[in-house]
Amino acid sequence: EPEVTQTPSHQVTQMGQEVILRCVPISNHLYFYWYRQILGQKVEFLVSFYNNEISEKSEIFDDQFSVERPDGSNFTLKIRSTKLEDSAMYFCASSVGRGNYEQYFGPGTRLTVT
Amino acid sequence: GQQLNQSPQSMFIQEGEDVSMNCTSSSIFNTWLWYKQDPGEGPVLLIALYKAGELTSNGRLTAQFGITRKDSFLNISASIPSDVGIYFCAGHNYGGATNKLIFGTGTLLAVQP
Repeated sequence: EPEVTQTPSHQVTQMGQEVILRCVPISNHLYFYWYRQILGQKVEFLVSFYNNEISEKSEIFDDQFSVERPDGSNFTLKIRSTKLEDSAMYFCASSVGRGNYEQYFGPGTRLTVT
Repeated sequence: GQQLNQSPQSMFIQEGEDVSMNCTSSSIFNTWLWYKQDPGEGPVLLIALYKAGELTSNGRLTAQFGITRKDSFLNISASIPSDVGIYFCAGHNYGGATNKLIFGTGTLLAVQP
């Protein structure tokens, strides 16, 4: 069964460093998302991406964040200058298309900022 | 912003018992989804609901889309140890520019063998 994959599973970085989290969405899906989950809390929407551009972003997704689909399969989230409060699980998700809200999530990347 | 409140926050039950949990909002949603999350893993989609009043089953799980469109319910029958995890509701509402989901606060389920 097709699934969303994410790498790395765990990333440790120092405050102020740049990180890139990678995702491979399900191949026939057209919408891609990043969500964040701080330890013990609910899942929060960061950004959605369709047709090679951001379609919606939350207030969490400030200028330090960017997303890219560099090729036909990868979808990345970059944090330019990490802060301690960026420590969280980051989940990539994908869905088939407009009107279908069934999003399938990857296993997540645990980001630890020290 | 929009909030989805889930209750109960946690449940500790014996294997074989039935479980009920719910999700409520002050806003109308046009789609409700239920996810299960194991520790350190991503949410796994269990059930999707698209119409008010809809009742949908997936094995021992049954979910309902409330007729007010402001709530949803999940029932698990004859619980087993592998049902342990956190159950999240998620909703999508009309007027959204995209397919953004709003997640609930979660219900932690513990099942004692």
